[in-house]
Amino acid sequence: GAVVSQHPSWVICKSGTSVKIECRSLDFQATTMFWYRQFPKQSLMLMATSNEGSKATYEQGVEKDKFLINHASLTLSTLTVTSAHPEDSSFYICSARAGTWVNVLTFGAGSRLTVL
Amino acid sequence: GQQVMQIPQYQHVQEGEDFTTYCNSSTTLSNIQWYKQRPGGHPVFLIQLVKSGEVKKQKRLTFQFGEAKKNSSLHITATQTTDVGTYFCAGRGSGGGADGLTFGKGTHLIIQP
Repeated sequence: GAVVSQHPSWVICKSGTSVKIECRSLDFQATTMFWYRQFPKQSLMLMATSNEGSKATYEQGVEKDKFLINHASLTLSTLTVTSAHPEDSSFYICSARAGTWVNVLTFGAGSRLTVL
Repeated sequence: GQQVMQIPQYQHVQEGEDFTTYCNSSTTLSNIQWYKQRPGGHPVFLIQLVKSGEVKKQKRLTFQFGEAKKNSSLHITATQTTDVGTYFCAGRGSGGGADGLTFGKGTHLIIQP
């Protein structure tokens, strides 16, 4: 089945630094990937849609200058949390569909960010 | 906008007891999907329901889609410790997010041995 690889699985950084999270589709091409944020015991909150070769589409209330998304190839999307602060600490998950006509989402394993 | 309500938020059961989680949408859905997220893990697709009144089974799990395509349920018979996790429904309709889905808040299943 379709596999989405996400790296790193966890990261600890100092306040004010930037952190990059990678999301790769391993056995399929993904023109679109999705980035979510999940707080403990909470549901998935869609942050943005990453579009290969074009700008990401951000959901309302998500700061695009804070959460930089780059989708440089059909198999790789990156999320960079810039100038991270403790309130940015969260579980970030990406997902993709393994085909244009596929409804089901395949999720990455998630990245747990802790900002000190 | 489209909303998907999921209840209960938490469910404690003794191992061997049954468990049910319910989803209700504010609008008619084209389909509904169910995902399971183990503690510390990521959501994993379980099933998709498309037809009105559809019922699908996966071993001890039974999924139902309402006649009006606005509600759905997941029932687990004789729970086991491996069933622990959070179960999310995700509805696809005209008001979903860019990923096409509106997720419920999830039901956290806690099993006491």
